[in-house]
Amino acid sequence: DVKVTQSSRYLVKRTGEKVFLECVQDMDHENMFWYRQDPGLGLRLIYFSYDVKMKEKGDIPEGYSVSREKKERFSLILESASTNQTSMYLCASSFPVGGYTFGSGTRLTVV
Amino acid sequence: DAKTTQPTSMDCAEGRAANLPCNHSTISGNEYVYWYRQIHSQGPQYIIHGLKNNETNEMASLIITEDRKSSTLILPHATLRDTAVYYCIVRVARQNTDKLIFGTGTRLQVFP
Repeated sequence: DVKVTQSSRYLVKRTGEKVFLECVQDMDHENMFWYRQDPGLGLRLIYFSYDVKMKEKGDIPEGYSVSREKKERFSLILESASTNQTSMYLCASSFPVGGYTFGSGTRLTVV
Repeated sequence: DAKTTQPTSMDCAEGRAANLPCNHSTISGNEYVYWYRQIHSQGPQYIIHGLKNNETNEMASLIITEDRKSSTLILPHATLRDTAVYYCIVRVARQNTDKLIFGTGTRLQVFP
């Protein structure tokens, strides 16, 4: 069964901490994505990557950075976590054509 | 970017067909329509996608109007496990951009 695996299901971090969210896919997909999901706002794209070491900003990149050193792994970094980054974070991967496969999500709470 | 409009909620009796409509009147010629569903606290699950022609897979059928301004997802025999939020989505994929534009979705409740 193909999978996108996110390293943590729930995380609680303090304001100002550096936070790493990890995502691994086993489908040899070129494209990988990070979205956040908030009530009333739906899913919004933070960053995506279409190849190793390549990245593009999505709609809401402020306060985030990403890293893709290997094809199967895409990391989202919150340089200095803030309370407005409390959210559900969803990683996804895909080929350039076809459906996305999403991970189960990481619910991050910043206190 | 194209946006989609869906009813907020729908009910369906178990064993009956669930027909979920979607309007995407601003869709561009090369943009695909995707359907996903999300069960509480899980990541969205891919259902089906299409460009112009009707599509069918083991989960559902997708009917796209000839002018591509609307589509309907059909779950032929709904079960209680099909209770979820269903998203009709346009995939925007062009140079330096690849994203799914999610709307607010339809909350489908399947009842016994």
